[in-house]
Amino acid sequence: AQSVTQPDIHITVSEGASLELRCNYSYGATPYLFWYVQSPGQGLQLLLKYFSGDTLVQGIKGFEAEFKRSQSSFNLRKPSVHWSDAAEYFCAVSPTGAGKSTFGDGTTLTVKP
Amino acid sequence: GAVVSQHPSRVICKSGTSVKIECRSLDFQATTMFWYRQFPKQSLMLMATSNEGSKATYEQGVEKDKFLINHASLTLSTLTVTSAHPEDSSFYICSAPTSGRPSSYEQYFGPGTRLTVT
Repeated sequence: AQSVTQPDIHITVSEGASLELRCNYSYGATPYLFWYVQSPGQGLQLLLKYFSGDTLVQGIKGFEAEFKRSQSSFNLRKPSVHWSDAAEYFCAVSPTGAGKSTFGDGTTLTVKP
Repeated sequence: GAVVSQHPSRVICKSGTSVKIECRSLDFQATTMFWYRQFPKQSLMLMATSNEGSKATYEQGVEKDKFLINHASLTLSTLTVTSAHPEDSSFYICSAPTSGRPSSYEQYFGPGTRLTVT
């Protein structure tokens, strides 16, 4: 069975600083990988996804993620964080992309002014 | 992009009553939809897969008689929480995947429904 681990429950960064959110997955083959953002009381918005090809994936809002097969990781990065980036971030894995997803426990991002 | 709506956004019901939550894909057809629940400060847990024209597939530990799912059309799935109890209070989120080439696969999530059972 697939699983997703987000080791950091809560991260605080200063506005303008760089950000990296970690995600490790467990799956027998190369899965479809996603990062979502959720604002309080809201649904999920897709930031980016990886299916195949280039291991560095660009997403919306200036986010990018790098798939590293050797480390079973799919870490999310942003070079300069904005106050509006404060939210909950979820990494997810799906065996077929359009199928059901398994989510990590999420990382809460707080942005200091 | 594609839009998925949920109705209602918030609902409060008394213990022992039933409540229905609707999930609609507004500009695309979805033969499959997924229902998740999310407790405060926790992750999304898949409850069931809703299949148009056939029975839903429930995840282990989810009571299918309590959480009734009906995929009435290619754009509508409903989740009915029967005989609700306070422990059913949660944030329920549905999603619908688009079809096509794998590189274009995407899941669109509804905005969620906050259920409070008193």
